[in-house]
Amino acid sequence: QKEVEQDPGPLSVPEGAIVSLNCTYSNSAFQYFMWYRQYSRKGPELLMYTYSSGNKEDGRFTAQVDKSSKYISLFIRDSQPSDSATYLCAIYTGNQFYFGTGTSLTVIP
Amino acid sequence: GAVVSQHPSWVICKSGTSVKIECRSLDFQATTMFWYRQFPKQSLMLMATSNEGSKATYEQGVEKDKFLINHASLTLSTLTVTSAHPEDSSFYICSAPGTRVDQPQHFGDGTRLSIL
Repeated sequence: QKEVEQDPGPLSVPEGAIVSLNCTYSNSAFQYFMWYRQYSRKGPELLMYTYSSGNKEDGRFTAQVDKSSKYISLFIRDSQPSDSATYLCAIYTGNQFYFGTGTSLTVIP
Repeated sequence: GAVVSQHPSWVICKSGTSVKIECRSLDFQATTMFWYRQFPKQSLMLMATSNEGSKATYEQGVEKDKFLINHASLTLSTLTVTSAHPEDSSFYICSAPGTRVDQPQHFGDGTRLSIL
């Protein structure tokens, strides 16, 4: 079983829609969860991170961790065409990263 | 903020050529750097961990003689793909560890390698 699993999509939504991106992970000991955004032919950039469980909000973005079900989510409200990118979930153990496969998102104007 | 610069951003070369990719930490020192490979529509796969002044640590299945890593200074790590073949065509990304929990890793912009 992979450490983290992510639906690769692709996902296509109209502008203004709410987007939900999800990952599952295997080890209940994992504590640091991150979401990276990667534009085409660019390196990933950190979008949000959460420690342990709960929600974290930053503008239109909300990251959520449900440790009981080992499920992490990223919600994007009022999605914009500029949000079109690949979103990767990641887990950091303190000395190693595990990345999901990434979900390709297209927001249609 | 901390920046990792990767060069070149895109290289096209003939099969059998060796290609060197550079990764620099611009305003901080990095005793460790990571090299990833990313195939289209796939995730980042860690290839190796580059250690300043010592040998790199390679992940299982990665050929050491194929992917030569040198980390000769605290701000520069290089990855050389030796005798590259079309199956080596991929997106190579380097990163350096951050010092804050909210920025655990700084990524370069990647190098697109196309072998003809």
